[in-house]
Amino acid sequence: EAGVAQSPRYKIIEKRQSVAFWCNPISGHATLYWYQQILGQGPKLLIQFQNNGVVDDSQLPKDRFSAERLKGVDSTLKIQPAKLEDSAVYLCASSGTRGRNYGYTFGSGTRLTVV
Amino acid sequence: GDSVTQMEGPVTLSEEAFLTINCTYTATGYPSLFWYVQYPGEGLQLLLKATKADDKGSNKGFEATYRKETTSFHLEKGSVQVSDSAVYFCALGGTSYGKLTFGQGTILTVHP
Repeated sequence: EAGVAQSPRYKIIEKRQSVAFWCNPISGHATLYWYQQILGQGPKLLIQFQNNGVVDDSQLPKDRFSAERLKGVDSTLKIQPAKLEDSAVYLCASSGTRGRNYGYTFGSGTRLTVV
Repeated sequence: GDSVTQMEGPVTLSEEAFLTINCTYTATGYPSLFWYVQYPGEGLQLLLKATKADDKGSNKGFEATYRKETTSFHLEKGSVQVSDSAVYFCALGGTSYGKLTFGQGTILTVHP
């Protein structure tokens, strides 16, 4: 079974620029998550999709972050404009119907550096 | 709301030493509990899990028991290896379907 694919692996941008991250979940997984992991901290949920609908985006800074999951498969997370504090690893994860009890699979992440 | 507290790191041990990383949680209802591991340069991997009170999760010599009375899920290993050097995250799967709440992570370094 192929894992969760993310791209790019690394990205360096200047503040106020925009950036987009892409995620391809495990085939058949209905639920997709985007987490932000700041250095020295645990991951924090930004947004959760069930198929192509948003289940939870309560911690997504909506003035600058946006995400979509077209056709309930791939997802894109965008930051516009970026701030220095957005420097972090952005993790995508997916799960089937039993994500709550069985954990889920993470991608390798995109490391964003804002300078 | 849900929260997870892990022991402060970093933890430095010699090979074959006994490992304990403490984890306590606050949650409503009956959460599932997880330990994830992040090796240098890699993504998060599920190490073990427990879905109800008194369950013991185990994998690769690591163990953790879901203790509802003390709201704890401490990670243990009897004899660590250099290859166990990584960051370990305790996580809680609460009543909000699928959402994981993570602790801050504990860095483990094992010396030969």
